[in-house]
Amino acid sequence: ETGVTQTPRHLVMGMTNKKSLKCEQHLGHNAMYWYKQSAKKPLELMFVYNFKEQTENNSVPSRFSPECPNSSHLFLHLHTLQPEDSALYLCASSQETSGGLSTDTQYFGPGTRLTVL
Amino acid sequence: AQKVTQAQTEISVVEKEDVTLDCVYETRDTTYYLFWYKQPPSGELVFLIRRNSFDEQNEISGRYSWNFQKSTSSFNFTITASQVVDSAVYFCALSEKNNAGKSTFGDGTTLTVKP
Repeated sequence: ETGVTQTPRHLVMGMTNKKSLKCEQHLGHNAMYWYKQSAKKPLELMFVYNFKEQTENNSVPSRFSPECPNSSHLFLHLHTLQPEDSALYLCASSQETSGGLSTDTQYFGPGTRLTVL
Repeated sequence: AQKVTQAQTEISVVEKEDVTLDCVYETRDTTYYLFWYKQPPSGELVFLIRRNSFDEQNEISGRYSWNFQKSTSSFNFTITASQVVDSAVYFCALSEKNNAGKSTFGDGTTLTVKP
């Protein structure tokens, strides 16, 4: 496998379900990201992990819980979501220098299309 | 604060026409990076180009070319002799050097190329 992979590609869940999205990068990068892309809205950065540590949380509701066990894997745990959370969730990775300097290109996975009923 | 504006929401052209997608950005940083991504119907964002703020040289890659002008804070993207496979949503993005991971994306321009 190459690049950034995401599973599942499609997910339908009820508001009381608990599910997890998985992202894996095969590029040797040290930073990973979760984005949300809703219809007719710009791409929204949700979480950033640099060197496995969360460095950014853009006021995301607690029903979204990220987990980064190592530099190659990133999870997004979902719990009691709302219908307005239905969107395309994109994972990305990049190679960042130490000290938090952003220099490199983010490479994206194919996304998980989430529908909350 | 950084901001990216793609004023063209949708563009429709006929195959073989040239088309330019506009991107205007705002940043207070002197060192920053600009990107263009393509998002086909499959959903994955495909990286097209990255440009550093200190390099204003324009770039051409096959039918794609980019015009970076710091004086007007613009980073426009031109597709020459468009093809149906170019139909996609195109995003311009900005990343500041000292703002690790916080890329700001424009709203995207939906390009439709008709046969």
